[in-house]
Amino acid sequence: EDKVVQSPLSLVVHEGDTVTLNCSYEVTNFRSLLWYKQEKKAPTFLFMLTSSGIEKKSGRLSSILDKKELFSILNITATQTGDSAVYLCAVQNTGNQFYFGTGTSLTVIP
Amino acid sequence: DSGVTQTPKHLITATGQRVTLRCSPRSGDLSVYWYQQSLDQGLQFLIQYYNGEERAKGNILERFSAQQFPDLHSELNLSSLELGDSALYFCASSVGDVYGYTFGSGTRLTVV
Repeated sequence: EDKVVQSPLSLVVHEGDTVTLNCSYEVTNFRSLLWYKQEKKAPTFLFMLTSSGIEKKSGRLSSILDKKELFSILNITATQTGDSAVYLCAVQNTGNQFYFGTGTSLTVIP
Repeated sequence: DSGVTQTPKHLITATGQRVTLRCSPRSGDLSVYWYQQSLDQGLQFLIQYYNGEERAKGNILERFSAQQFPDLHSELNLSSLELGDSALYFCASSVGDVYGYTFGSGTRLTVV
């Protein structure tokens, strides 16, 4: 059965801390892995990863994929209260189907 | 405003009824994706259309159907509604299959 597992489920940190969110997957015919940030509205797209070992970076956020070990990490450095959200990981297969993890809830306290 | 428009924003209906959710993709986007987000099951992919044709199918129930029209807007039809169908239904669009996906703000369906 195809599945995506995210950990931890929930995380509370202080502003300025660095966090690492994990996403492991077992999906047949992998095509891409995507990270989204969801606040109290629709998910917003962060990164799409298709190749192993190539880090994608956007400001304080970065992500990398390991297709051999079947996982990805999302790093957020110097966290801010505005980073508080649920971070979703999704894997797309070559049939264009998506499998989502249950998300990691991040709370950043001042 | 993401450029993906979903209507209505909220919908309350009784069990056994049928509803239609509408999505207008971002200008220039050919692909439309439908997702269901419920409290107990997280975000689930339902179906994708590309330029009017069904491209991929996920966990979509037989009671649900969708289509994409020549002007690229899409409709998701939910029939014989059950309490468990209460959820947030998102539409997303993209240029093709392999680029970033932009989500609409969702339609919250409550079945009573």
